[in-house]
Amino acid sequence: GESVGLHLPTLSVQEGDNSIINCAYSNSASDYFIWYKQESGKGPQFIIDIRSNMDKRQGQRVTVLLNKTVKHLSLQIAATQPGDSAVYFCAENGSNSGYALNFGKGTSLLVTP
Amino acid sequence: GAGVSQSPSNKVTEKGKDVELRCDPISGHTALYWYRQSLGQGLEFLIYFQGNSAPDKSGLPSDRFSAERTGGSVSTLTIQRTQQEDSAVYLCASSSPSLDTQYFGPGTRLTVL
Repeated sequence: GESVGLHLPTLSVQEGDNSIINCAYSNSASDYFIWYKQESGKGPQFIIDIRSNMDKRQGQRVTVLLNKTVKHLSLQIAATQPGDSAVYFCAENGSNSGYALNFGKGTSLLVTP
Repeated sequence: GAGVSQSPSNKVTEKGKDVELRCDPISGHTALYWYRQSLGQGLEFLIYFQGNSAPDKSGLPSDRFSAERTGGSVSTLTIQRTQQEDSAVYLCASSSPSLDTQYFGPGTRLTVL
């Protein structure tokens, strides 16, 4: 079936550095992509989203890049802070379940001082 | 309310018992989703409600799982004759009619002994 996966299960960065979290997807019909941050014991928190008619979108300290040619999505976090430590999930809506999101397994980001 | 709320936050039950999990979506959100998250895993879609349309139940893992949404607002997920493999965090999300962004609640951690 269709799948969403992440290249790295864990990522350790120093405070102040930029972080890049990558995600590959396989469903060419996906037209909506979203990144969530999940802290321990909490539900996923929306970070940023992007539609397939765009290749870049910026938020506060975060940028999402979409490369439809290679079916790749990335989340860039500028000047990473300790509060950014969490598990990050990418998701897309190209599943057969209509608007239900298809999630990857997540990347754990650890920010060290 | 400011966000999606779920109750209880934790539920411990014995194998074979029935459980009910509750979700209160964001006011005005017509779409409601249930997902399941096993330890260290991504989110698995269970069921989706959109307005008065028939729900999309394609993600329910067995006929022991059911859900209803009364009055287009509150939803209850019921698991009958619980099994140990049902242990997971059950997450609810809602979205507005005009946007795809799903906002999640804090989840219910279910433990089946």
